[in-house]
Amino acid sequence: AQSVAQPEDQVNVAEGNPLTVKCTYSVSGNPYLFWYVQYPNRGLQFLLKYITGDNLVKGSYGFEAEFNKSQTSFHLKKPSALVSDSALYFCAVRDITGANNLFFGTGTRLTVIP
Amino acid sequence: GAGVSQSPSNKVTEKGKDVELRCDPISGHTALYWYRQSLGQGLEFLIYFQGNSAPDKSGLPSDRFSAERTGGSVSTLTIQRTQQEDSAVYLCASSLSAGAGVPGHFGDGTRLSIL
Repeated sequence: AQSVAQPEDQVNVAEGNPLTVKCTYSVSGNPYLFWYVQYPNRGLQFLLKYITGDNLVKGSYGFEAEFNKSQTSFHLKKPSALVSDSALYFCAVRDITGANNLFFGTGTRLTVIP
Repeated sequence: GAGVSQSPSNKVTEKGKDVELRCDPISGHTALYWYRQSLGQGLEFLIYFQGNSAPDKSGLPSDRFSAERTGGSVSTLTIQRTQQEDSAVYLCASSLSAGAGVPGHFGDGTRLSIL
C-alpha cells in the first residue's frame, strides 16, 4: 500500500530563515510525489511534483523539494521563509494502481514568525 | 470561471437530512475529483470522474454517498441521511486530463456541519 507520513504537525520558523517541511513515503515501485499548500479557508494549491529525473524539483512560490530514494523522503524546502508562507502543507503520493487517486499526509502547519 | 467553484461554502444541517454539494470545474477540464478533509486528518479520496467513463467510486465511505457529473461539467455530491461523522470540508478538484495523474486545481471547499 502507498502512504506518506508527515512527522511534524507544526513547524515554526523565523522570517528570512530557511524552512523544511518533512515528508517520508512508502510505496512499492517508483513513487510519484506531490506537495500542496492550503491557505486559510481556501482549497489546496499544487506546489510541485516529482515523477522522474532530477532529484531536486522546483515549484511555485520559490519552493523546492528533494527526492531521496535511500531515505524514502521528499522534504519541502525554501531558502528564505516569508510570513505569507504560513499555511498548511500536504505531501501526497499517487496511487500506483491507477491514476485516480492521491494519498495525502495529515498535513504540517507552517508558521513563519516576523 | 477562472477556478474551481464550489457551493455552498458552508452548510449546516440536522442529522438525518440529505445534502447536495455542487462543484463547477474549470472549463475544459475532463477530470474531476471529490475529496473529504476531516479535522486533524489528511484528505480522503471519495470519487473520480474522467470524461464519459464510468466514475471511480472506490473512495465513497458508504452507500449514503453518491455523486454525478452532468454533461461532463458540473458535479453534485449527495449525502443522504447525514450523520455527525459526515462533518468535514468537502473539496472538489479538476484537471485537464487524467494523464497528469494530479488533481491540479482545487476549489475552496464546502464546510459541512451536521448537528
